[in-house]
Amino acid sequence: NAGVTQTPKFQVLKTGQSMTLQCAQDMNHNSMYWYRQDPGMGLRLIYYSASEGTTDKGEVPNGYNVSRLNKREFSLRLESAAPSQTSVYFCASSYRDRRLASGANVLTFGAGSRLTVL
Amino acid sequence: AQTVTQSQPEMSVQEAETVTLSCTYDTSESDYYLFWYKQPPSRQMILVIRQEAYKQQNATENRFSVNFQKAAKSFSLKISDSQLGDAAMYFCAYNYGGSQGNLIFGKGTKLSVKP
Repeated sequence: NAGVTQTPKFQVLKTGQSMTLQCAQDMNHNSMYWYRQDPGMGLRLIYYSASEGTTDKGEVPNGYNVSRLNKREFSLRLESAAPSQTSVYFCASSYRDRRLASGANVLTFGAGSRLTVL
Repeated sequence: AQTVTQSQPEMSVQEAETVTLSCTYDTSESDYYLFWYKQPPSRQMILVIRQEAYKQQNATENRFSVNFQKAAKSFSLKISDSQLGDAAMYFCAYNYGGSQGNLIFGKGTKLSVKP
């Protein structure tokens, strides 16, 4: 099983350029997420999609847009990249574990995409 | 707002010894979940262990166990018989029941294992 696949793994952009990070999962999960990881900051949520056709802002959404193309795919777009967006980006998907009371979401992460904006 | 705090930016342990990583959290929820994720140099986020807040029994997974103190809002990870492959960043994370699944992460603890 591929799990969660992110592309590209590395990207260098110039300030003002645009790009899209692609994410696909093959686990039939309903929810998908985009996080960014910065040194000393842990992971912070950018956007999430609870189900196909819905998206919601997370903690740090400014400068990003997302598209939940279908149940499998969730893309993250930088319309005009800025140096502050230099980071490692993680896509994740989750299922709701019905064995747990209220159902916890168990996240599976992709391998990450390192983005550098010059 | 929920927060997760890991007060140890770096820790070191001798191979085969035991180490404990600390995590505290702040929440007003009564039903929630806590996780420890491992991130080796490969960057891959790997779920190590999880704990349901309604369970008093501490979770264990082989050499990994937690000490969950709900009243103190503390969730520490104990690694027994440490191995070189345990060297990684460890992140504590929180998720409350009924949410859309968003995890709130601590800033991480870098664990080094000395041979």
